[in-house]
Amino acid sequence: EPEVTQTPSHQVTQMGQEVILRCVPISNHLYFYWYRQILGQKVEFLVSFYNNEISEKSEIFDDQFSVERPDGSNFTLKIRSTKLEDSAMYFCASRAGQGTDTQYFGPGTRLTVL
Amino acid sequence: SQKIEQNSEALNIQEGKTATLTCNYTNYSPAYLQWYRQDPGRGPVFLLLIRENEKEKRKERLKVTFDTTLKQSLFHITASQPADSATYLCALGVAAGNKLTFGGGTRVLVKP
Repeated sequence: EPEVTQTPSHQVTQMGQEVILRCVPISNHLYFYWYRQILGQKVEFLVSFYNNEISEKSEIFDDQFSVERPDGSNFTLKIRSTKLEDSAMYFCASRAGQGTDTQYFGPGTRLTVL
Repeated sequence: SQKIEQNSEALNIQEGKTATLTCNYTNYSPAYLQWYRQDPGRGPVFLLLIRENEKEKRKERLKVTFDTTLKQSLFHITASQPADSATYLCALGVAAGNKLTFGGGTRVLVKP
């Protein structure tokens, strides 16, 4: 069964460093999302992406964050200058297209900012 | 303010019994509601989706109901098994393909 994959599974970085989290959505899916979950808290929406554009973003998704679909398969989340409070699990999700609402999530990347 | 509430207390249940979880929301008009399973350190796994015009959905031992008047969804696991032990998340979508807004999840522990 097709699934969303994410790399790396765990990323440790120093505060102020840039990180790039990578996702490979399910093939032929058209809509892509990033969510995050701080330890012990709810899953929170960050950004949605369709047709090479951001469709919607949350207040969390400030200028330090960016997303890109550099080729036909990868979807990336970049954090330019990480803060301690960026430590969380980051989940990528994808959705097939018009008429479907189910979002399929990847296993996540655990980001630890020291 | 908008809220999605799930029982934060863990649900301990004996194997073979039915587990019933609730998801209540205020100040939302969801187009659909999804239920996910999440194991520790893992991503949410999709279980069921129910739309605003649907009353009930079933999949194997799982059943979801949606009452837009009560602003509540119930999630049932029948004939529960220890392997069903996990955290179950409800998530609302207010428009087609829009972002999901999650509840805090309810942890279920099924004892043999």
